[in-house]
Amino acid sequence: EAQVTQNPRYLITVTGKKLTVTCSQNMNHEYMSWYRQDPGLGLRQIYYSMNVEVTDKGDVPEGYKVSRKEKRNFPLILESPSPNQTSLYFCATSPGPLYEQYFGPGTRLTVT
Amino acid sequence: SQQGEEDPQALSIQEGENATMNCSYKTSINNLQWYRQNSGRGLVHLILIRSNEREKHSGRLRVTLDTSKKSSSLLITASRAADTASYFCALSPPHKGGSYIPTFGRGTSLIVHP
Repeated sequence: EAQVTQNPRYLITVTGKKLTVTCSQNMNHEYMSWYRQDPGLGLRQIYYSMNVEVTDKGDVPEGYKVSRKEKRNFPLILESPSPNQTSLYFCATSPGPLYEQYFGPGTRLTVT
Repeated sequence: SQQGEEDPQALSIQEGENATMNCSYKTSINNLQWYRQNSGRGLVHLILIRSNEREKHSGRLRVTLDTSKKSSSLLITASRAADTASYFCALSPPHKGGSYIPTFGRGTSLIVHP
């Protein structure tokens, strides 16, 4: 079954404590991206990756890092989380440019 | 980066009625996609329409695209309570720093009353 998985699904943490949200896909897609969703703001892209070792900033990259060492995984790293990073995070994958995206189930992050 | 603007922000209808929501944008696009999101869950792709297409159908969904007016509409016919969700348009611009990954609007919240 084609899947995009994210872990953890829910996380409550404290300011400054480094965390990683994992994203994994089994569809052999080249394109992967991270979004955050906040009330009234819709989805905003954080980072994207067009292939292994190729990543680039989206619209709101500050405070985040990513890596793409293998095709199936695209982790999102918050080196020093702050309360303004409290949000719902989605990973998405796509077969290539101009194609539909497949979304993971989301990770609800609360930073206190 | 360009963001689509969905209209209305919220829509409340009775089961069996049709629901129409619109998306407007400002600059040229490669394609426009519509997604559905049930509360707090991941987005699900509904339809992709390319800039050289004018209309597409998928089951009870009909999407139109008018590139001269820079707008698209999503029509859900004979709506059901299960259609209650937020609907987003996503734009794939011709260029975005070398990437074609779409950007999303803020969505239309649809409530279908049984």
